[in-house]
Amino acid sequence: DVQLLESGGGLVQPGGSLRLSCAASGFTFSSYAMSWVRQAPGKGLEWVSAISGSGASTYYADSVKGRFTISRDNSKNTLYLQMNSLRAEDTAVYYCAKDQGIRGLIKGLDYWGQGTLVTVSS
Amino acid sequence: QSALTQPASVSGSPGQSITISCTGTSSDVGGYNYVSWYQQHPGKAPKLMIYDVSNRPSGISNRFSGSKSGNTASLTISGLQAEDEADYYCSSYSSSNTVLFGGGTKVTVL
Repeated sequence: DVQLLESGGGLVQPGGSLRLSCAASGFTFSSYAMSWVRQAPGKGLEWVSAISGSGASTYYADSVKGRFTISRDNSKNTLYLQMNSLRAEDTAVYYCAKDQGIRGLIKGLDYWGQGTLVTVSS
Repeated sequence: QSALTQPASVSGSPGQSITISCTGTSSDVGGYNYVSWYQQHPGKAPKLMIYDVSNRPSGISNRFSGSKSGNTASLTISGLQAEDEADYYCSSYSSSNTVLFGGGTKVTVL
């Protein structure tokens, strides 16, 4: 069975940094693109970032470009999201999700983790 | 990067059919056949219901169907059931190499 387990969330002050991890199992990790999607409390879904299966291509929403960095370690079956210069509006549950394709962005996200909560507050 | 436009809520009685619209632009919904739909129950992770406008992943009931006309995509749920009560989100690939989500539609089964 496909499993995605996020970790690394927590409370951080504005301007601070946090690194999220997503441990994947149950599929050939390097064959699929991965994404991060967030959901602010009581709000809708917002796509954050995606990375191709090889890791060579990365994509970002304008709201996080220049502050967040997506990466993956295919030898460890793990996806990461390095979040710097955090703002109050970054407060959300962050989901790790598996893409149906290797390129990313176009084929839909067929498996999701349960999410990790990031709270940015002083 | 503006979000796609969905109605805030749609309701129907058990057994009825409902349709949720998702309106974008020629740079996203209208320009590509890469529209997906997700179902999310309270406190749960989203679930992929439709991809590539009208394709269902394995295990998804054929009561769910998708279509597109111009810049508007639609999700139709036929034979509405109590378990279909949830939030539904559309998403689309965008020409800026990003993904846009709709604001979400709350489906209520009366």
